[in-house]
Amino acid sequence: AQKITQTQPGMFVQEKEAVTLDCTYDTSDQSYGLFWYKQPSSGEMIFLIYQGSYDEQNATEGRYSLNFQKARKSANLVISASQLGDSAMYFCAMREFSGNTGKLIFGQGTTLQVKP
Amino acid sequence: EPEVTQTPSHQVTQMGQEVILRCVPISNHLYFYWYRQILGQKVEFLVSFYNNEISEKSEIFDDQFSVERPDGSNFTLKIRSTKLEDSAMYFCASSVETVAYEQYFGPGTRLTVT
Repeated sequence: AQKITQTQPGMFVQEKEAVTLDCTYDTSDQSYGLFWYKQPSSGEMIFLIYQGSYDEQNATEGRYSLNFQKARKSANLVISASQLGDSAMYFCAMREFSGNTGKLIFGQGTTLQVKP
Repeated sequence: EPEVTQTPSHQVTQMGQEVILRCVPISNHLYFYWYRQILGQKVEFLVSFYNNEISEKSEIFDDQFSVERPDGSNFTLKIRSTKLEDSAMYFCASSVETVAYEQYFGPGTRLTVT
């Protein structure tokens, strides 16, 4: 069964520093995708970054990068040069490509607080 | 930039009442989803919809729930007889395809059942 684990309920980081949010996953599929979403206090879900299981390079999107370690089944999000506006809940999610229904399975989330 | 919209933003209803949550997905998207998030918890998949039929549903999506695409733009979630435990944020999402494409989420409808 698919499972996403985010073991850090809450994290603090100093403004302008980098922070890593952990995510491990479990799947028996060979083809899958991993996603990170940001949920600010206003509640909307904002897509940040995507990594496919066959992508050889780690995904990057601006200040966001995904540290993908397939053998360890981990897909950690790295935010560089943290800003106050990065304070939010962050969710890791996975989609298995078999079945092709697009269902996303989410982790429990990590609350990130950026300190000035 | 195109976006998914949802109405209403907040709905308060009494237990046992029917509610319809509305979503307008992005216009060229073909796959539609509903998720829910009970306060303080993770986002949970409810149902996926493609080509005018349900492609997958979760255990949460029981007979009290139904989805419909009544016209070319709206996508609705109906809860027939609400329970207290249905109180949650309900997100609609859409994507161009299922595989390797991000799902764009709407802002959510907060449903409060009293």
